[in-house]
Amino acid sequence: DADVTQTPRNRITKTGKRIMLECSQTKGHDRMYWYRQDPGLGLQLIYYSFDVKDINKGEISDGYSVSRQAQAKFSLSLESAIPNQTALYFCATSDPRLAEETQYFGPGTRLLVL
Amino acid sequence: RKEVEQDPGPFNVPEGATVAFNCTYSNSASQSFFWYRQDCRKEPKLLMSVYSSGNEDGRFTAQLNRASQYISLLIRDSKLSDSATYLCAVTNSGYSTLTFGKGTMLLVSP
Repeated sequence: DADVTQTPRNRITKTGKRIMLECSQTKGHDRMYWYRQDPGLGLQLIYYSFDVKDINKGEISDGYSVSRQAQAKFSLSLESAIPNQTALYFCATSDPRLAEETQYFGPGTRLLVL
Repeated sequence: RKEVEQDPGPFNVPEGATVAFNCTYSNSASQSFFWYRQDCRKEPKLLMSVYSSGNEDGRFTAQLNRASQYISLLIRDSKLSDSATYLCAVTNSGYSTLTFGKGTMLLVSP
């Protein structure tokens, strides 16, 4: 089983709809992240959470919200989806106890907003 | 100046070639550096961390130059399977978030 899972893997929605992307991990990591990736723009950090009670905005948080329901779960919501939120969304985790705090990514969610 | 910059490529090389990627970063307080590999529309996967003394993993060699604020990745004896996008990532000072470059695409041809 994959250590970091994301659901759904693909989603098509309409402008104005609220949607939620979910991320679960079995790695036991405290830190979790949400990124979006657009062609030619690389990975951009949306939100991150260093533990269940700690939520922080990333560089492009407008239009998004998150919920850290448990150490293993971190959800990303688009309150009112718009077409320019069409992108590939990745969740990632990391462990601050490691000397090199690398991030481990989920398989991604492809989102299309019509 | 963007925080982390990479040559977008693509780099087109024949099998067996040696290819080098560079990545420059603007935050002099960055402490950790990484190279990730990303296959088309898949998740990034850690290729290797980059240490101050340089490090090697098989055909891959990573170097860090703190004075000039750049990291490099050298791939020797390129294989078809090395075709992918290579992302460099740098930690942000005071936090454990990463800033990623936009990636350099490598295409290895027979």
